[in-house]
Amino acid sequence: KAGVTQTPRYLIKTRGQQVTLSCSPISGHRSVSWYQQTPGQGLQFLFEYFSETQRNKGNFPGRFSGRQFSNSRSEMNVSTLELGDSALYLCASSWGALNTEAFFGQGTRLTVV
Amino acid sequence: EDQVTQSPEALRLQEGESSSLNCSYTVSGLRGLFWYRQDPGKGPEFLFTLYSAGEEKEKERLKATLTKKESFLHITAPKPEDSATYLCAVQARVHTGNQFYFGTGTSLTVIP
Repeated sequence: KAGVTQTPRYLIKTRGQQVTLSCSPISGHRSVSWYQQTPGQGLQFLFEYFSETQRNKGNFPGRFSGRQFSNSRSEMNVSTLELGDSALYLCASSWGALNTEAFFGQGTRLTVV
Repeated sequence: EDQVTQSPEALRLQEGESSSLNCSYTVSGLRGLFWYRQDPGKGPEFLFTLYSAGEEKEKERLKATLTKKESFLHITAPKPEDSATYLCAVQARVHTGNQFYFGTGTSLTVIP
């Protein structure tokens, strides 16, 4: 059974640019959630999608947005990148109820220069 | 303010030396407490979910317990392969839906 796939694994962007990250959940999973992980702040919840609808949202500015497609694949977009957005972005998928047993991908390492 | 605190930040154990990791939380509307293991360069790996005070779950050398204010992850006779960062997370009900709060983790090193 394939795991959660995140692409790309590594990304370098310039301040002010925008970026789109992709997450393919485990087959049959309908919930996808996104997290930002930094050495200083640890893991922080960004948002969660279920059946193409954003169900929950963390305390991040509107520059961070996402969407989910009918096949449950999800994308996260960050506009007007700032140096502080450099982080490991993780996505997790679960079958139904939020995070009952979530499986994480390996993450996308974003560096903003 | 909703918060999750893990202690200690780092722990070094001899192989076979049992110990406990602590996760204390101050959230209202607790919906669940989660333990994850994270190896360097990888995403977190789910270990346990606990929903109510008094609940306990076990998996191999790990046992998680929950009270109204904290959770413990007990590691019995650890092996070097148990070395990892252990993360605790809390799901809380807030007015906008559900929120997740993660602790900053305990880095465990088991020395052969």
